[in-house]
Amino acid sequence: DTGVSQNPRHKITKRGQNVTFRCDPISEHNRLYWYRQTLGQGPEFLTYFQNEAQLEKSRLLSDRFSAERPKGSFSTLEIQRTEQGDSAMYLCASSWRTGGTGELFFGEGSRLTVL
Amino acid sequence: GESVGLHLPTLSVQEGDNSIINCAYSNSASDYFIWYKQESGKGPQFIIDIRSNMDKRQGQRVTVLLNKTVKHLSLQIAATQPGDSAVYFCAENPWDQGAQKLVFGQGTRLTINP
Repeated sequence: DTGVSQNPRHKITKRGQNVTFRCDPISEHNRLYWYRQTLGQGPEFLTYFQNEAQLEKSRLLSDRFSAERPKGSFSTLEIQRTEQGDSAMYLCASSWRTGGTGELFFGEGSRLTVL
Repeated sequence: GESVGLHLPTLSVQEGDNSIINCAYSNSASDYFIWYKQESGKGPQFIIDIRSNMDKRQGQRVTVLLNKTVKHLSLQIAATQPGDSAVYFCAENPWDQGAQKLVFGQGTRLTINP
């Protein structure tokens, strides 16, 4: 499978614990995005990388969230001291385009449940 | 704040009929619009896009119409099939020259009846 891969697909954790999600984009794509989707809503932009550089972060990304893409390939999204409001689907997407148009290829997401 | 929204949260059609899903946007500066399909348990899948210098674009069984005067976007699906059942999102990118920081609407659930 050469699509965007995310793991784990599901994570249940207790409030206050740290969690980390991994995204492996399509190999030739230089842009990688993280979005968050809550039940019944559309995805919301969190942050994006061009190669290894994190170029922008949404106001939704509090200090408890950190994303990295150390070698310009896979990316991790870590949430520290999780809260119940962090429960959501975390979607990763990638693109080879450097502009604002063109297809974003989404992964199947990592669903987080914070108890 | 400005947002992308949808007129109807659910739509039910008979198999073989045409479907029309509507979307209203409020950011007049938006230059690029996309429709995504999301099946249960999966990530959004790109269907078709359109730039603001166009008012219509056709794909395979799908057509997107853009009316900039009333800030309205629609997705037409011809001869719907059971596999078309999903949630459909419209999205806009107000920052066409930058990254794809898409603003998604709430979504319309399309159900195809046999």
